[in-house]
Amino acid sequence: AQSVTQLDSHVSVSEGTPVLLRCNYSSSYSPSLFWYVQHPNKGLQLLLKYTSAATLVKGINGFEAEFKKSETSFHLTKPSAHMSDAAEYFCVVSDDSGGSNYKLTFGKGTLLTVNP
Amino acid sequence: SAVISQKPSRDICQRGTSLTIQCQVDSQVTMMFWYRQQPGQSLTLIATANQGSEATYESGFVIDKFPISRPNLTFSTLTVSNMSPEDSSIYLCSVESPGGYEQYFGPGTRLTVT
Repeated sequence: AQSVTQLDSHVSVSEGTPVLLRCNYSSSYSPSLFWYVQHPNKGLQLLLKYTSAATLVKGINGFEAEFKKSETSFHLTKPSAHMSDAAEYFCVVSDDSGGSNYKLTFGKGTLLTVNP
Repeated sequence: SAVISQKPSRDICQRGTSLTIQCQVDSQVTMMFWYRQQPGQSLTLIATANQGSEATYESGFVIDKFPISRPNLTFSTLTVSNMSPEDSSIYLCSVESPGGYEQYFGPGTRLTVT
């Protein structure tokens, strides 16, 4: 069984300051991990993904995440927040459990607010 | 990435009625997925639809309530049957990427049941 815990339901930052959205996962197999973003009234967009290659993953819009197996974490960071980053962010896990590697399990989401 | 469209984008329905949501992809895909996002909640997988076979439902979801069709490799429908206010949600379809590691999502259908 796989699960995802997003440690903060809401994060508020000032424009130009760093962003940290925390995610811990649980997986019985080698996981693939993703961060998706959902802007208001828009669909889900993939920010970045980890699929057992480099542990530091760079995504779109300046976001990156580091896979730490010892800590079972996959935190999302950005050096400098922009107003357009305000959205809901979902950490997602998919594990390669004997052919079910397509099944995604979503965290509950973190709402990022960016203040001017 | 695949381009996915959904119809309708939103609807308001009366309890006891049914709504069929369409999902169209601009390329042929093997696997399509249907998710539900209840207000203020995360996404929950309803079922997986492979072309030419019966959909596979997740725990808590049944075919009588959420029948799915998958007539070809670019199209699927999800019906929400005998609706109640608890069915008010955003319903999203997705497809698996060619590499199989990620999914591309449609814009969603916002359903309100009164």
